[in-house]
Amino acid sequence: AQSVTQLGSHVSVSEGALVLLRCNYSSSVPPYLFWYVQYPNQGLQLLLKYTTGATLVKGINGFEAEFKKSETSFHLTKPSAHMSDAAEYFCAVSEITGGYNKLIFGAGTRLAVHP
Amino acid sequence: GAVVSQHPSWVICKSGTSVKIECRSLDFQATTMFWYRQFPKQSLMLMATSNEGSKATYEQGVEKDKFLINHASLTLSTLTVTSAHPEDSSFYICSARGSPGEFRNTGELFFGEGSRLTVL
Repeated sequence: AQSVTQLGSHVSVSEGALVLLRCNYSSSVPPYLFWYVQYPNQGLQLLLKYTTGATLVKGINGFEAEFKKSETSFHLTKPSAHMSDAAEYFCAVSEITGGYNKLIFGAGTRLAVHP
Repeated sequence: GAVVSQHPSWVICKSGTSVKIECRSLDFQATTMFWYRQFPKQSLMLMATSNEGSKATYEQGVEKDKFLINHASLTLSTLTVTSAHPEDSSFYICSARGSPGEFRNTGELFFGEGSRLTVL
């Protein structure tokens, strides 16, 4: 079974600093990987996804992630944090079970951005 | 495109009553919808997978009789929490898989806004 590990349940950065949220996965097949963001009392919004092709994926709000097969990682980065980036971030891997896809989520990382 | 809407956003009910939460795909047909439960400061826990016109598939440990799921049309799935108790208080989130061809093989999901249930 596939699984996702997010290192660091809480990350705090200064406004303007680099954001790095870590995600490692385990999968016996080429994975489809996703990053979602959740603001308080809201559902999840897709930031970006990797399916096939280019390993550096650009998403919304200036975020990007790089798929590294050798490291089984899909870390999320943003060069310069903004106050509005404060939220919960979830990494997920797509698993095919019984002929259909379902997402397996990591535990989440709460990003705090301080002035 | 690919908007999923949940209703209600907030619901407070008395212990022992039943509560229905609706999940609608507004601009696409969703043959498959998923229901998640999220406890405070925790990740999403998949409860069940709902396929239009058939019985839902529940994850291990989820009570089928407690959490009734109906997916009667390609744009609507409902979750009914029956005989709710305080321990059922949680944030429930639905998601839907997009149109075949583009999303089916990747597993990308579109999420509703979530419904916060508080059982007194």
